[in-house]
Amino acid sequence: AQKVTQAQTEISVVEKEDVTLDCVYETRDTTYYLFWYKQPPSGELVFLIRRNSFDEQNEISGRYSWNFQKSTSSFNFTITASQVVDSAVYFCALDLLQGAQKLVFGQGTRLTINP
Amino acid sequence: GAVVSQHPSWVICKSGTSVKIECRSLDFQATTMFWYRQFPKQSLMLMATSNEGSKATYEQGVEKDKFLINHASLTLSTLTVTSAHPEDSSFYICSARSPGRGPRDEQFFGPGTRLTVL
Repeated sequence: AQKVTQAQTEISVVEKEDVTLDCVYETRDTTYYLFWYKQPPSGELVFLIRRNSFDEQNEISGRYSWNFQKSTSSFNFTITASQVVDSAVYFCALDLLQGAQKLVFGQGTRLTINP
Repeated sequence: GAVVSQHPSWVICKSGTSVKIECRSLDFQATTMFWYRQFPKQSLMLMATSNEGSKATYEQGVEKDKFLINHASLTLSTLTVTSAHPEDSSFYICSARSPGRGPRDEQFFGPGTRLTVL
């Protein structure tokens, strides 16, 4: 069975702090995609990143960075120098390349950045 | 590009009435559309997968007769909540996928529809 676990339900930090959101996934497939989405209070999902299972290189995009480690089945997301606008719920998701090709979402982490 | 719209963005209805939510892919043809439901402070749960011109595939525990899905064209899928009750109040999100659209048939999400049943 496929499963995505985001153990951190809520995180609260002060602006300018760095924060890491954890994501652990389970799948027996060797090929898959992993995603991170941001859901601000408006509700609309904002796509942040997609990473395929064959690419373990870490990625950096501005203040955002992602650490993908197949050995530990983790795909963690770090925000550097956090800002109030980063406050949102963040979801990690798993997409298999076979079968029904459905997205399996983690429970989400509610991130609050305090001024 | 790759814009998905939903209509309405929010709806309030009386218990027992039916509500139709539309999901449209505005600039691409979506052979497959997905419907998700999200309760407050919870994750997105897939309700069903619909392919154009065929019956939807429902996830376990989702009532087919309660949530009617019609994917009549390559740009439109509708979700009808029949005989809605307060427990159906939720945020409904659709996504659309088109083969060959991106590196991996990426799903594009709509902005969601907030349904409140009184």
